[in-house]
Amino acid sequence: AQSVSQHNHHVILSEAASLELGCNYSYGGTVNLFWYVQYPGQHLQLLLKYFSGDPLVKGIKGFEAEFIKSKFSFNLRKPSVQWSDTAEYFCAVMPTGTASKLTFGTGTRLQVTL
Amino acid sequence: EAGVAQSPRYKIIEKRQSVAFWCNPISGHATLYWYQQILGQGPKLLIQFQNNGVVDDSQLPKDRFSAERLKGVDSTLKIQPAKLEDSAVYLCASSLYGTGYNEQFFGPGTRLTVL
Repeated sequence: AQSVSQHNHHVILSEAASLELGCNYSYGGTVNLFWYVQYPGQHLQLLLKYFSGDPLVKGIKGFEAEFIKSKFSFNLRKPSVQWSDTAEYFCAVMPTGTASKLTFGTGTRLQVTL
Repeated sequence: EAGVAQSPRYKIIEKRQSVAFWCNPISGHATLYWYQQILGQGPKLLIQFQNNGVVDDSQLPKDRFSAERLKGVDSTLKIQPAKLEDSAVYLCASSLYGTGYNEQFFGPGTRLTVL
C-alpha cells in the first residue's frame, strides 16, 4: 500500500518569503501526484497535479511542484507567498490504474504573516 | 456548476447513539467517496462507490459504519453505535470516474463530535 509523508506540520512565513513544502511518498509502481489546499472555512480543493511528462507542474495562484522520481518526492513551491496563502496543504498520491485510492499526507499548516 | 453538498454541517451526539450524514455529488459524477478526517491527519478513504456499486470499502469499520448510494446519485453514511474515536470531519467527494486521472471535488464536510 502507498503512503505519504509531509515533513513540515506547521510553517510560518512573512509575506514575500519563498515557500517549499516537502512531500515524499512510498509506492513501488507508477503514481499520480496531487497537492490539495484548504483555505480557512473552505472546501478542500485541487492546487495542482502530476500525471506524466514535464516533472515541473504549475498550478493555480503561482504554485508549482516538481516530481523527482529518484527521490519519490513531489515538493510544492511558491517564490513569494501572500497573506491569502494561509491555509492547510495536503499532498496526495494515487497509483495509476483503475480502482486505486487517493492517499493523503497529514498536511502542512501554512501561516503567512504581514 | 453546483458543488458537492453535504448535511448536516455539524453534529454533536453522545457515544452509543447513531448518526447519519447525507451527500449529494456533482451532477453527472459517477464516482462518490466518503472520507474520514481526524484532527491533525489527512483525509482517509472509507468507501468508494461507482454509480450504486461499492468499489472499495476496505477501510470502513463495518461493525458500526454503513453507507449506501441506492439510485447512484446521493448517498448516506451511518454510524451506529458511535464511539468517542469517531469524532472527525466526514468528507464527501465526487469525480466523473474513479480513475486517478479524474479530479475529486470535495464537499464542505460534516464535523462530528462524540461526547
